[in-house]
Amino acid sequence: QITLKESGPTLVKPTQTLTLTCTFSGFSLSTSGVGVGWIRQPPGKALEWLAIIYWDDDKRHSPSLKSRLTITKDTSRNQVVLTMTNMDPVDTATYYCARRFGGIDAFDIWGQGTMLTVSS
Amino acid sequence: QSALTQPASVSGSPGQSITISCTGTSSDVGGYNYVSWYQQHPDKAPKLMIYDVSNRPSGVSNRFSGSKSGNTASLTISGLQAEDEADYYCSSYTSISSYVFGTGTKVTVL
Repeated sequence: QITLKESGPTLVKPTQTLTLTCTFSGFSLSTSGVGVGWIRQPPGKALEWLAIIYWDDDKRHSPSLKSRLTITKDTSRNQVVLTMTNMDPVDTATYYCARRFGGIDAFDIWGQGTMLTVSS
Repeated sequence: QSALTQPASVSGSPGQSITISCTGTSSDVGGYNYVSWYQQHPDKAPKLMIYDVSNRPSGVSNRFSGSKSGNTASLTISGLQAEDEADYYCSSYTSISSYVFGTGTKVTVL
């Protein structure tokens, strides 16, 4: 069974740095073609793609957020970590991690999401 | 990278067919056959329904189909059922090796 689960704080203050962890099972991030991405969704709004890291350590980021995002992986621990600097109330959202399966450019399995509020 | 454009809402009666459009540019939808569609029920994570424009993952009903013409992709739901009532999002790979999602469409079953 393939699962992904996001973990991290539920509340951060403006200007702080956010660290989110995606812990997955049932697949390996060392398998050719596999990637793990992050997507967020503000309350009542649309999905927004943030970043992705691939099996070969290639990384891509949203152009609009690139300067604030860092994505890394720990293959041995089956984890992907996303950090976002200089948090703002507009970053309040549910954050999802999802698998990009090798051979298709889509996110086939998603985590349950973690809700984050940015407020002082 | 601007969000792909979708209609805010689409509705239909049970048994009918509906189509949701997703309009992008030649740098995303029009440039690649990497359009995907996701279904999201309230307070749930998105679920992949269509990938690579027209392919269905295992377990997804064949009532869902996808297509593309130029810079516009479409998702068609045939034989509309109450359980299809949800939000739907398109997504595309882009020319800068990133992904972009659509603005989302709320499907209502009358």
